[in-house]
Amino acid sequence: EVQLVESGGDLVQPGRSLRLSCAASGFTFADYAMHWVRQAPGKGLEWVSGISWNSDNVDSADSVKGRFTISRDNAKNSLYLQMNSLRIEDTALYYCAKDLGRQKLVFDYWGQGVLVTVSS
Amino acid sequence: SYELTQPPSVSVSPGQTATITCSGDKLGNKLVCWYQQKSGQSPVLVIYEDSKRPSGIPERFSGSNSGNTATLTISGTQAMDEADYYCQAWDSNVVFGGGTKLTVL
Repeated sequence: EVQLVESGGDLVQPGRSLRLSCAASGFTFADYAMHWVRQAPGKGLEWVSGISWNSDNVDSADSVKGRFTISRDNAKNSLYLQMNSLRIEDTALYYCAKDLGRQKLVFDYWGQGVLVTVSS
Repeated sequence: SYELTQPPSVSVSPGQTATITCSGDKLGNKLVCWYQQKSGQSPVLVIYEDSKRPSGIPERFSGSNSGNTATLTISGTQAMDEADYYCQAWDSNVVFGGGTKLTVL
């Protein structure tokens, strides 16, 4: 059974940093691209960042480019999101999502989400 | 940047067919997928590559994509299908539609 478990969410002040983690199990993690998708309270889904199976290709939404960095450790079956210079508008539930393939940009499994609140 | 437009809400009676549209420039040239998100839950993939159903998704869910519009169709809609539905495609980046709230009444 595929499981994605996010952690690291917190209440932080604007301008501070936070690192999210996603522990994956139930599939061969190293074979799939992975992504972060967020959902602000009461709003729709927004893709944040994605990373290929071998970390060669990474990309991010313009809204977070230069502030957020996605990475992965295939030996630890883990995905990360380093979030710097956080803004109030980054407040959201952050989902870790598995790609259908090596870079199909289709998300076939999602974690339960972790809440990031940016507030002074 | 590329945009996908969905109606904010759609209502359907139980047993009837629900149709949710997703519009975008030359969308038919792109691959579209659909996610279902029930209240308080994580999204679930229900259609990918325009019309393919993942294992475990009921046959009443189907999809199509042509011209500027992709469509999610739910035949014989059940109360359990009440949820928010999001379309998604890729242009220069991953793009989601704004979501459609499906009410079954």
